[in-house]
Amino acid sequence: EPEVTQTPSHQVTQMGQEVILRCVPISNHLYFYWYRQILGQKVEFLVSFYNNEISEKSEIFDDQFSVERPDGSNFTLKIRSTKLEDSAMYFCASSEGGTDTQYFGPGTRLTVL
Amino acid sequence: GQNIDQPTEMTATEGAIVQINCTYQTSGFNGLFWYQQHAGEAPTFLSYNVLDGLEEKGRFSSFLSRSKGYSYLLLKELQMKDSASYLCAPEADRGSTLGRLYFGRGTQLTVWP
Repeated sequence: EPEVTQTPSHQVTQMGQEVILRCVPISNHLYFYWYRQILGQKVEFLVSFYNNEISEKSEIFDDQFSVERPDGSNFTLKIRSTKLEDSAMYFCASSEGGTDTQYFGPGTRLTVL
Repeated sequence: GQNIDQPTEMTATEGAIVQINCTYQTSGFNGLFWYQQHAGEAPTFLSYNVLDGLEEKGRFSSFLSRSKGYSYLLLKELQMKDSASYLCAPEADRGSTLGRLYFGRGTQLTVWP
């Protein structure tokens, strides 16, 4: 069964450093999303992406964040200058249509020191 | 804005039936998802309701009342592996923001032998 994959599974970085989180959505899916979950808190929407552009972003997704689909399979989230409060689990999701079921990847645990 | 309310914790014994309620208020509404999340793992899709009524899927059923802003997830014949967090996730109206999910804090279900 096709699934969303994410790399790395864990990322440890120093405050102020740039990180790139990678995702490979399910191959026939057209809509891509990033969510994050701070430990013990709810899953929060960051951004949705369709047709090579951002469809919507939340208030969390400020200028430090960017997303890109550099090729036909990868979808990346970049955090330019990480802060301590960016420590969280970051989930990528994809769906076939805009309101179809979103399938989540296993997540990347980001720890900012 | 959005407000999603579900119980923080529930406990039940193996073989029992449990109902997890969710009430929501969102600025736009298309449908409602239920996801299961084991600790440290990604949310996995359980069910989706767009019309009022009950959707049954094996041991899991989900109900929606759009007019009341209410949904529940019913789990029958509980098994130990059902111990997890259950996330109620209303979906934004497709006329405004495609596919954005708003997650509740989740209901941590513990199943005892």
